[in-house]
Amino acid sequence: EIVMTQSPATLSVSPGERVTLSCRASQSVSSNLAWYQQKPGQAPRLLIYDASTRATGIPARVSGSGSGTEFTLTISSLQSDDFAVYFCHQYSNWPQSFGQGTRLEIK
Amino acid sequence: QVRLVQSGAAVKEPGSSVKVSCRASGVTFGTFGFSWVRQAPGQGLEWLGGTAPIFETPRYAQKAQGRLTITTDESTNTAYMELSRLTSADTAVYFCARDRGTIPLDPWGQGTLVIVSS
Repeated sequence: EIVMTQSPATLSVSPGERVTLSCRASQSVSSNLAWYQQKPGQAPRLLIYDASTRATGIPARVSGSGSGTEFTLTISSLQSDDFAVYFCHQYSNWPQSFGQGTRLEIK
Repeated sequence: QVRLVQSGAAVKEPGSSVKVSCRASGVTFGTFGFSWVRQAPGQGLEWLGGTAPIFETPRYAQKAQGRLTITTDESTNTAYMELSRLTSADTAVYFCARDRGTIPLDPWGQGTLVIVSS
């Protein structure tokens, strides 16, 4: 099973700032990497797939990059709606697997 | 618009089984797969298993192998997951999600809380 490791576990930032979240795979997942946002009491929402393709309705200030084993999610000009937990997910190999999440909190 | 609606919360005794349903609307069933994911209280996401058109049978995470059964009913556009021999460690919110392979888990069902308690 591929192990996904996210860093940091928690990130404290101010609205308007730019933030970068990291995700590392224990072996190559090519570009088969997705990012999800989850708010309390809600199901996760797909943000990015194929490492860098935005899902329908996701604004351009949200971007993803990387391939192989190293990936990043960048959110520029943070808005109040962005403070949530973010998970990376590899779907290259089955069983699929998730990172443990990064919590984005307001400083 | 694609929508997945899951069955309601359940309270189960240790050792019993639970079956959760996930009904799809706004989409042609059978052209995509499903994944089942759970989230224990305050924890992250755990992929349990799923189906895909390229696989003849469902695939399961090793941790769930032997206890989890995933099925689909095309006549009712519904997917099911049944987890047996429940323990308190299975207390979690269980989610279904459409899995198109090249475009992963989207959308998700609203989640089903399963509490295992005597």
